[in-house]
Amino acid sequence: ILNVEQSPQSLHVQEGDSTNFTCSFPSSNFYALHWYRWETAKSPEALFVMTLNGDEKKKGRISATLNTKEGYSYLYIKGSQPEDSATYLCAFETGAGSYQLTFGKGTKLSVIP
Amino acid sequence: KAGVTQTPRYLIKTRGQQVTLSCSPISGHRSVSWYQQTPGQGLQFLFEYFSETQRNKGNFPGRFSGRQFSNSRSEMNVSTLELGDSALYLCASKGGAGNTEAFFGQGTRLTVV
Repeated sequence: ILNVEQSPQSLHVQEGDSTNFTCSFPSSNFYALHWYRWETAKSPEALFVMTLNGDEKKKGRISATLNTKEGYSYLYIKGSQPEDSATYLCAFETGAGSYQLTFGKGTKLSVIP
Repeated sequence: KAGVTQTPRYLIKTRGQQVTLSCSPISGHRSVSWYQQTPGQGLQFLFEYFSETQRNKGNFPGRFSGRQFSNSRSEMNVSTLELGDSALYLCASKGGAGNTEAFFGQGTRLTVV
């Protein structure tokens, strides 16, 4: 059974603070690591799909890094805004073309104005 | 381009009944996956269909089944409903290679009473 762990479980930050979350995943049989943002009453929305060790991706104020050898990924949000409040999910994809995602339980971020 | 559409959005059923949920993927996407979310749990993978064939199945009892039609629309069926089946059911569609993002629908909230 694949185990994907996310920490912290929840986080409250002040507007303007920078923050980061961790996703740990198995280091064997790695294919891709996904990050999704899930706002209440909406669909999960893809942020990044990362495949290469050392990968760094950025979208606006959000960035992510990947270490496949040790099995972790970090998601960073710079200068958090209230609209960043959401649950951030990571998902591990194993095996070429399996299309099966194993999700962590997520980190719930609340940004206080 | 229309997103992933799930119907119905909400459903209340009685124990012992069966239910069918529907998912229409993004046009051109041939892969449809189904996930279950219960309180305190991450998204749990149910199964994935590609070109009308089930390619992967998660660790769920045989009461959970699905199918995919030639137009890529997918249905998920749960028979002999139990209280523990109450959950949010999400479907996701993918196009292209395996390491691409999944696009999620808004989900069907199933309540079993």
